[in-house]
Amino acid sequence: LAKTTQPISMDSYEGQEVNITCSHNNIATNDYITWYQQFPSQGPRFIIQGYKTKVTNEVASLFIPADRKSSTLSLPRVSLSDTAVYYCLVGLYGGSQGNLIFGKGTKLSVKP
Amino acid sequence: EAGVTQFPSHSVIEKGQTVTLRCDPISGHDNLYWYRRVMGKEIKFLLHFVKESKQDESGMPNNRFLAERTGGTYSTLKVQPAELEDSGVYFCASSQIFRTGIQETQYFGPGTRLLVL
Repeated sequence: LAKTTQPISMDSYEGQEVNITCSHNNIATNDYITWYQQFPSQGPRFIIQGYKTKVTNEVASLFIPADRKSSTLSLPRVSLSDTAVYYCLVGLYGGSQGNLIFGKGTKLSVKP
Repeated sequence: EAGVTQFPSHSVIEKGQTVTLRCDPISGHDNLYWYRRVMGKEIKFLLHFVKESKQDESGMPNNRFLAERTGGTYSTLKVQPAELEDSGVYFCASSQIFRTGIQETQYFGPGTRLLVL
C-alpha cells in the first residue's frame, strides 16, 4: 500500500477554509484516496473518498491532480468542532484487502 | 441506525490478568476489523473477519491475543495474559460485504481504552 505524507499539525481560525495536502508518490493504478477524521476519545470517521479529479460532499471536497501523487482535503468555513486529527489513506480497500493503513495524521486546531 | 459499539469503554488491569473486549458491529455488516493504537503510535490493523471467518490476522501481535466472532455477529478480543505493552486503545470497525467496484466505508466504534499496570 502506498505510503502517505501529510503535515503533523495545522492551526486555523473559525470561518476559514482549511486545505490539508497529502503526498502519495507511489500510489498504484487501482488505489483510492480516502480521508478519515478522528475526534478525541472517538474512533475514526469516514469523510470522503476519491479516485481522480474532484469529489465533493456535504462535509468536504477532495482535489486530486491528474498524476494522483497528491491530494488535498478542503474543509470550507471550519468551526471549532472541526478540531480533530485528519488521516489520509491510500489503497485498494475492500474484501480481502480491507485493512486500513493509518499514518500519523494531521492534527487540526481551530481557534475562535 | 445504531453504530458500532464497544464494551467496556475503559479497562484497567494488572499485568498477567485476562481482559476480554467486545465489539458489536452495525447490523448486517459482514466485515469486522480490530485495530489498536498504543501510546504515541499510529492506529494499527490487528485482524479482519468476514462473517465468522478470519480473513486476515496478520496484524495480531502474538498468541496472547485471541479473537472470535461467534455466529458472524459480535466479536470478542481476549488478551491473556496481559502485558504492559498491551496498553492502548482498541478500535473495532465494520463494513458491508465487499462488492466489485465499490470501495467500502468502515465505521468505527468509540474504542476501548486498556491500561495494564
